[in-house]
Amino acid sequence: NAGVTQTPKFQVLKTGQSMTLQCAQDMNHNSMYWYRQDPGMGLRLIYYSASEGTTDKGEVPNGYNVSRLNKREFSLRLESAAPSQTSVYFCASSESGGRTDTQYFGPGTRLTVL
Amino acid sequence: GDSVTQMEGPVTLSEEAFLTINCTYTATGYPSLFWYVQYPGEGLQLLLKATKADDKGSNKGFEATYRKETTSFHLEKGSVQVSDSAVYFCALSSSGGSYIPTFGRGTSLIVHP
Repeated sequence: NAGVTQTPKFQVLKTGQSMTLQCAQDMNHNSMYWYRQDPGMGLRLIYYSASEGTTDKGEVPNGYNVSRLNKREFSLRLESAAPSQTSVYFCASSESGGRTDTQYFGPGTRLTVL
Repeated sequence: GDSVTQMEGPVTLSEEAFLTINCTYTATGYPSLFWYVQYPGEGLQLLLKATKADDKGSNKGFEATYRKETTSFHLEKGSVQVSDSAVYFCALSSSGGSYIPTFGRGTSLIVHP
């Protein structure tokens, strides 16, 4: 039982390049989330998927797109990377997105945009 | 909207000292409250939670009590260890936020031998 896995762990991009961050969970969870973590800013929600087939914007969606490929996988795409997108990205999942749900986090992707 | 305020760090303590990290919240609806911990280079993991007023969550020697009257969920540990050095996040989930968790900004704890 691997929990939530993310690839890659580290990535360096040049401004304007594109990339996709992959996330998968093996806990049969319905809800999945993408956050970014910046110093002094805590966690900010980029996009989330309450269930397979649905996605919604979070607090900071500009410059990102997501795909809920199936129940297990939720990818985050940067179409044209900018230095402001340098951050640590975390994927998380929860059983149903309910009030008492625990969120389970992946190990993160550390992205630098030059 | 929902919000979580936690004390700014870093909090620096000697081993075996008493720890308190303050957390207060504003929520629409009846929230559940959480503490998550992030060890260096890792993702967040649940430390403890409480889902109704006066509940006490506890784990690994850490405790926090859901105080509805003071809208607080302070984290405490009687005797910290070097291995407790990490960043601690208070969070809530309520109907006002469509049950999407709202996180505080995190408090860094550094424990010296």
